[in-house]
Amino acid sequence: AQTVTQSQPEMSVQEAETVTLSCTYDTSENNYYLFWYKQPPSRQMILVIRQEAYKQQNATENRFSVNFQKAAKSFSLKISDSQLGDTAMYFCAFMKHPGNQFYFGTGTSLTVIP
Amino acid sequence: EAQVTQNPRYLITVTGKKLTVTCSQNMNHEYMSWYRQDPGLGLRQIYYSMNVEVTDKGDVPEGYKVSRKEKRNFPLILESPSPNQTSLYFCASSLSYYTYNEQFFGPGTRLTVL
Repeated sequence: AQTVTQSQPEMSVQEAETVTLSCTYDTSENNYYLFWYKQPPSRQMILVIRQEAYKQQNATENRFSVNFQKAAKSFSLKISDSQLGDTAMYFCAFMKHPGNQFYFGTGTSLTVIP
Repeated sequence: EAQVTQNPRYLITVTGKKLTVTCSQNMNHEYMSWYRQDPGLGLRQIYYSMNVEVTDKGDVPEGYKVSRKEKRNFPLILESPSPNQTSLYFCASSLSYYTYNEQFFGPGTRLTVL
């Protein structure tokens, strides 16, 4: 079975600063994907960034980047130049391939302080 | 517009009264699934469907039923709801179970069982 652990239930950051959200996972699978999803107060699940396990290069998407450490089974999200609109719950998720079943962490509630 | 829709968005019901939450996608996706989100637990998969007439249990299937008679629809049925099924429910879809494709989430259904 796969497990995803987010050890930071809540975090805050000053606007324009950088924040890193932690995620670790446990799996015996070789083929998988890792994701960060954002859930604003509207509750919509929004894909922030995706990482293929077979790729060594860390994924980046504008102000969002990840630090993927496959051997350590760690997958942290860095948000640069934090904006008020980044305030949301952030979920780390694992998906084995094939299969398309997500395993989610318990979430980190991020507040950006003006 | 490509989307996953869920109805109703909010529902308050009483213990034992059968209900159905509908999910529909307009992207011709083969794979559909249901998740429930609870505080401190993240999202957990209830059931999934790889294609029409093919469904299987996820991690928390007890108390739920599903059917997949048409490709676009994947209703979630609670035949005798109980208060522990009070939760936020998400339907999701992607192109195929066998290949990686982005998973699209519906807007969520907030269910309260009294």
